[in-house]
Amino acid sequence: SQTIHQWPATLVQPVGSPLSLECTVEGTSNPNLYWYRQAAGRGLQLLFYSVGIGQISSEVPQNLSASRPQDRQFILSSKKLLLSDSGFYLCALGGRTSTNEKLFFGSGTQLSVL
Amino acid sequence: GIQVEQSPPDLILQEGANSTLRCNFSDSVNNLQWFHQNPWGQLINLFYIPSGTKQNGRLSATTVATERYSLLYISSSQTTDSGVYFCACRMDSNYQLIWGAGTKLIIKP
Repeated sequence: SQTIHQWPATLVQPVGSPLSLECTVEGTSNPNLYWYRQAAGRGLQLLFYSVGIGQISSEVPQNLSASRPQDRQFILSSKKLLLSDSGFYLCALGGRTSTNEKLFFGSGTQLSVL
Repeated sequence: GIQVEQSPPDLILQEGANSTLRCNFSDSVNNLQWFHQNPWGQLINLFYIPSGTKQNGRLSATTVATERYSLLYISSSQTTDSGVYFCACRMDSNYQLIWGAGTKLIIKP
């Protein structure tokens, strides 16, 4: 079965510091991978998605970037965090064919930028 | 693009009650999913249901694609059903799921 590892669970960072959140998946190959952000009490906002190694699509212009150095690894980064980067960050994976198009989420990282 | 609206935005029920959550979408979809986000933030996929009816225990879902809506039924509610329920849809040839704003459900003991 598919497993999504996302860490850390919580993170407190000062404004202007760098960020690296890592997501790794198991039990699947060549998945579509996604980074979402959720503000408190709000819905989900798609930040990035990737259909393969080195292939990243950005949905929202922002202070963040993403990379996919390996098939099952997806990294969210920032060189300098802003207060507005605070939120709940979720990694997700989805399949490519009609039989596995369901989206599955990791446990998330609560980021507080102070 | 496609618009997704969920209703009601908030719902408070006593344990044991039944509930119906609705998701309306503005265009044809080939992918519709229901999710539950528990109070700790974990998002669980409940149903992948672009059309038809599915059941899983006390939960069931029905999507009427021709009329552009989906319903999530929760029977005999338990306190562990509390949280936010999201509907998300996708049109053809588009990797993005478009998310509704969610229904916040509180089940009181």
